[in-house]
Amino acid sequence: AQSVTQPDIHITVSEGASLELRCNYSYGATPYLFWYVQSPGQGLQLLLKYFSGDTLVQGIKGFEAEFKRSQSSFNLRKPSVHWSDAAEYFCAVAASGGSYIPTFGRGTSLIVHP
Amino acid sequence: SQTIHQWPATLVQPVGSPLSLECTVEGTSNPNLYWYRQAAGRGLQLLFYSVGIGQISSEVPQNLSASRPQDRQFILSSKKLLLSDSGFYLCAWSRQTGGYTFGSGTRLTVV
Repeated sequence: AQSVTQPDIHITVSEGASLELRCNYSYGATPYLFWYVQSPGQGLQLLLKYFSGDTLVQGIKGFEAEFKRSQSSFNLRKPSVHWSDAAEYFCAVAASGGSYIPTFGRGTSLIVHP
Repeated sequence: SQTIHQWPATLVQPVGSPLSLECTVEGTSNPNLYWYRQAAGRGLQLLFYSVGIGQISSEVPQNLSASRPQDRQFILSSKKLLLSDSGFYLCAWSRQTGGYTFGSGTRLTVV
């Protein structure tokens, strides 16, 4: 079965600074990978996804993520963080040859200082 | 376009009372439907998923149940709530691939 690890529970950055949220997965083949964002008290919104092809994926709100097979990682990046980016971020992995049901990481809480 | 509706947004229920949370999807047919629970400070735990009417798969044994009486309706129920059932419940739908679309969630507090 697949698994996903988000090693950082909290990340604090200053507005305008760059951001990288880490995600490592465990799966025997090429997985499907996702990043979601959750504002307080809200549902989850899909930021971006990787199924195949170009390993650098562009998403909404200026986010991007890079799939690195050798490192089993799918880190989320943004060159300049805005205060409105403060939220909980979830990485998810799904088996490409199975039921496609994602397994979610425990999330990383992003705090943005003015 | 597809939309997903989940209600109520918040719910406070006494221990031992029944529960019914409803989720409906519009703008698509034969979606895969899911119920997740999110406890404070934790990730998302898959509770149930359904690939069709009357087809329910349970991921975690507990006092909750799910039903899919119609193609685009998914209901989460309990006959007697426990304190440990408190949490944030999220409904989601998907095609077989393509990521999930989540509802806005229900905050359940069992007192």
